[in-house]
Amino acid sequence: DTAVSQTPKYLVTQMGNDKSIKCEQNLGHDTMYWYKQDSKKFLKIMFSYNNKELIINETVPNRFSPKSPDKAHLNLHINSLELGDSAVYFCASNGGNEQYFGPGTRLTVT
Amino acid sequence: EDQVTQSPEALRLQEGESSSLNCSYTVSGLRGLFWYRQDPGKGPEFLFTLYSAGEEKEKERLKATLTKKESFLHITAPKPEDSATYLCAVQGPNFNKFYFGSGTKLNVKP
Repeated sequence: DTAVSQTPKYLVTQMGNDKSIKCEQNLGHDTMYWYKQDSKKFLKIMFSYNNKELIINETVPNRFSPKSPDKAHLNLHINSLELGDSAVYFCASNGGNEQYFGPGTRLTVT
Repeated sequence: EDQVTQSPEALRLQEGESSSLNCSYTVSGLRGLFWYRQDPGKGPEFLFTLYSAGEEKEKERLKATLTKKESFLHITAPKPEDSATYLCAVQGPNFNKFYFGSGTKLNVKP
């Protein structure tokens, strides 16, 4: 069973569109994250939720809106996509100090 | 500003040729330092957590060490299957926030 799963794995879309990425974890963890990994491999934290409540909101354009319907799910909705949004987006969960990452969603904006 | 720097960016080794990867950090109030392995097209996979200077952890051919300013990931007699990008992350005073380096891409040739 996959501990942290994300869908879709690949997302190709045009500028200006709105898209969503879904994440689910079956580890029973309270805290979940969204990270963005750029072409230089830097993983940068975007958001963190603890038991459905937003606890970290980095300097991210408000076109990005996370939603956590329950502590096992954290979705990311992106409005008005821009070329610079192209990256790999990772979801992660954290039950203690160790983070468990999903397989990533490669977003390409054309 | 809190920062994590990894070196070298890329490392090519012959099978059996031992070496070390470096992670230096400037985070104040370090709670933990983490090493991850990332294979192409996959999410980072947790390897080690180190909490205090002088601590060491080992797993197969990998050994992680920690000082007050940096961590080393020593790879002894590497095999081609050790080829991956190795990421370092630190956890600062904010328990839920992790800062990642840009990784070292290791290529082990048979």
